[in-house]
Amino acid sequence: NAGVTQTPKFRILKIGQSMTLQCTQDMNHNYMYWYRQDPGMGLKLIYYSVGAGITDKGEVPNGYNVSRSTTEDFPLRLELAAPSQTSVYFCASSYLARRVTDTQYFGPGTRLTVL
Amino acid sequence: GKQLNQSPQSMFIQEGEDVSMNCTSSSIFNTWLWYKQDPGEGPVLLIALYKAGELTSNGRLTAQFGITRKDSFLNISASIPSDVGIYFCAVHGNKLVFGAGTILRVKS
Repeated sequence: NAGVTQTPKFRILKIGQSMTLQCTQDMNHNYMYWYRQDPGMGLKLIYYSVGAGITDKGEVPNGYNVSRSTTEDFPLRLELAAPSQTSVYFCASSYLARRVTDTQYFGPGTRLTVL
Repeated sequence: GKQLNQSPQSMFIQEGEDVSMNCTSSSIFNTWLWYKQDPGEGPVLLIALYKAGELTSNGRLTAQFGITRKDSFLNISASIPSDVGIYFCAVHGNKLVFGAGTILRVKS
């Protein structure tokens, strides 16, 4: 198993550009999550999905969109990039979320800079 | 909103020393988690705590769930260079909420 994979690893965007951060997991997990990590801060939840076709907002969803057309993929879209979106983005997945033993597995992250 | 306070923010210790860090909240939580993030990687779960007062070990790591359910601490004994990284506490409600992290640097 590759686990959770994310692409790209690094990206620099100009203000107003758009891009999609890709996330794929091969563990057949139902739940997938997108977090952002700002310097000196913990991870903040952007969006999450409990299964294909179902998504919901997290703590900081503004400026982002997601879709979940398959169990494996959970792309995160930035439509009009802003400097405030400069951050490291982590995708994670878990089999379930009702039990605390359902560990979230994290991808390696995408480092995004908006200039 | 829910807020976790982690301390210290960073530590720079000598190899072989013991390390202690803690996490507090103004709210009660029924589960406390400790994650480690290596440089350039995503967080990995180290220890999960489910009962107030519980003390759990994972190798050189020991974590305790405070009796008030508002705090937890993590101890690392006999630190080694590969212990460097960021240690996050997290609490589990409907979703994970993370603290800001403790940065650990170990001097050989």
